[in-house]
Amino acid sequence: GAGVSQTPSNKVTEKGKYVELRCDPISGHTALYWYRQSLGQGPEFLIYFQGTGAADDSGLPNDRFFAVRPEGSVSTLKIQRTERGDSAVYLCASSWGQGDIDEQFFGPGTRLTVL
Amino acid sequence: LAKTTQPISMDSYEGQEVNITCSHNNIATNDYITWYQQFPSQGPRFIIQGYKTKVTNEVASLFIPADRKSSTLSLPRVSLSDTAVYYCLVGGRSGGYQKVTFGIGTKLQVIP
Repeated sequence: GAGVSQTPSNKVTEKGKYVELRCDPISGHTALYWYRQSLGQGPEFLIYFQGTGAADDSGLPNDRFFAVRPEGSVSTLKIQRTERGDSAVYLCASSWGQGDIDEQFFGPGTRLTVL
Repeated sequence: LAKTTQPISMDSYEGQEVNITCSHNNIATNDYITWYQQFPSQGPRFIIQGYKTKVTNEVASLFIPADRKSSTLSLPRVSLSDTAVYYCLVGGRSGGYQKVTFGIGTKLQVIP
């Protein structure tokens, strides 16, 4: 079956612009995560959705970052007034959100470059 | 979240068994231990998860001592395609949700 997909794969924008990054999770997965990964570092947790609601958004760095998942499937990460420091790979992951093992399935990521 | 410590890098020859040890001295009672593998330009991939003792699947084994303050990922007979970064994660579970923190991981280089 299809895995987690993310679009676009690459996004180049100018400082101050608004960007939206999309994540299509595996069908049926109720849990969805967003991470950010800088070069040479591990993924950094941003936000977790259980269904439509953001159950944990403690990783969002500031109020320029916002994410939605209106129908409990596709999620969009929105970044306002982008800054050069926002440049990173943004990873999305999904999981069943239940059971003994929480295996997160990651997408390939969106590489965001802010000029 | 419990902090983890693992070697920054390791080298191994093809065909050898590789053991990567992770320290997590402050692990909490409800924390699980999970290992992920990441290749360049890809998202991490789940390898194995455990709570205590030993867990084995088709790709790896995870050894967890009784005090759970460390864990060892064992990869049998590595090949060149096992060259990747390996992350040890510790996090509690609540309703299927495991909040985890990725460190910088262990970069494993398999040598022919």
